Amino acid sequence: SAVISQKPSRDICQRGTSLTIQCQVDSQVTMMFWYRQQPGQSLTLIATANQGSEATYESGFVIDKFPISRPNLTFSTLTVSNMSPEDSSIYLCSVRAGSPNTEAFFGQGTRLTVV
Amino acid sequence: GQQVMQIPQYQHVQEGEDFTTYCNSSTTLSNIQWYKQRPGGHPVFLIQLVKSGEVKKQKRLTFQFGEAKKNSSLHITATQTTDVGTYFCAGDAGGTSYGKLTFGQGTILTVHP
Repeated sequence: SAVISQKPSRDICQRGTSLTIQCQVDSQVTMMFWYRQQPGQSLTLIATANQGSEATYESGFVIDKFPISRPNLTFSTLTVSNMSPEDSSIYLCSVRAGSPNTEAFFGQGTRLTVV
Repeated sequence: GQQVMQIPQYQHVQEGEDFTTYCNSSTTLSNIQWYKQRPGGHPVFLIQLVKSGEVKKQKRLTFQFGEAKKNSSLHITATQTTDVGTYFCAGDAGGTSYGKLTFGQGTILTVHP
């Protein structure tokens, strides 16, 4: 199993500013992902955080808006840049350890409100 | 791209009634996983199905994977108030998807005592 510490747990931010969310895992993991979840909605994959290289973004998400770092196998950050109220959402860090046929573990999530 | 459809979106049951949620993928899957998310919480893994036609049980929960590995279902027998939450299926296409999961829309289960 993997224990994920994600912070901050929530924040209220002014539009036009940026917020960086941190994800710390208690063990080395192969795969790290960032999701967005609107309240009561499904999880939408933003990007795969690649260790030592640029993240792989899903359709509709771009690096300038959601820069991601992954300096090692236990840590990643997601920045939400130049925020607008439409960015208000829950952001979740997720990891899968070992081979792809493994379960995903999630951080507690960051509830972001942009005013 | 891959899409995973899940129905129903909402289900309200009386305690003791059964509940089923269905999941259908637009593509053949390497495996399918099920997660439960309690209100205010994060998704928690329930089970993974890998083999065609696989059936797995966890106490009152029964999970099935279709023969074509494109659909799946979760059935809960005699629901309890502790079953409240949102149930998500998540499809793993395998191969070049590099471990990415595509989540269904989720079924929000409400259990009335």
